[in-house]
Amino acid sequence: LAKTTQPISMDSYEGQEVNITCSHNNIATNDYITWYQQFPSQGPRFIIQGYKTKVTNEVASLFIPADRKSSTLSLPRVSLSDTAVYYCLVGEGGGFNKFYFGSGTKLNVKP
Amino acid sequence: DVKVTQSSRYLVKRTGEKVFLECVQDMDHENMFWYRQDPGLGLRLIYFSYDVKMKEKGDIPEGYSVSREKKERFSLILESASTNQTSMYLCASMPGRLGNQPQHFGDGTRLSIL
Repeated sequence: LAKTTQPISMDSYEGQEVNITCSHNNIATNDYITWYQQFPSQGPRFIIQGYKTKVTNEVASLFIPADRKSSTLSLPRVSLSDTAVYYCLVGEGGGFNKFYFGSGTKLNVKP
Repeated sequence: DVKVTQSSRYLVKRTGEKVFLECVQDMDHENMFWYRQDPGLGLRLIYFSYDVKMKEKGDIPEGYSVSREKKERFSLILESASTNQTSMYLCASMPGRLGNQPQHFGDGTRLSIL
């Protein structure tokens, strides 16, 4: 079962690029890697998803090496409003859709 | 926009009570999930359902049951509430049968068992 490991917390300053790495050594062939953002008193919100190589959207990039045993979420030029918990999720595909959240990374952006 | 609505934001119940948490989604998604979230433990999957009347246990099903009589509604039931079930409960829905679709979450129910 593909479980994930992330740093518990990270600090950054406004305007910096932030990279959060997630380890998923037991990822299966059918699994996708998905990242979510969660603010206090809200449910997690989808940020980005990928299967291999690099994916980019308007808010983030996701880098996945060839062996897929890890992934890195990259947030360009963070602002104070990016302070949140970020979860890495590996989907166990094949029809039963059991998903395993990591413990999340608390990103603290300072002015 | 997908909307997942949880019936209560805050709920206070007593030990031994039967507690119902309701979740409704408006996008005809096949899959629905119940998680609990505790400090330092992230989100843990309690149960999920991939179709009406179908359910599968997650990581921590003990003390909980679920019901999915209609596609849009997924209920979490605490048969006899205990203080260790005090937590934030999150419902989510997802289309399709594979892991390449994002989950859509409600804003949670903070449940306190006294």
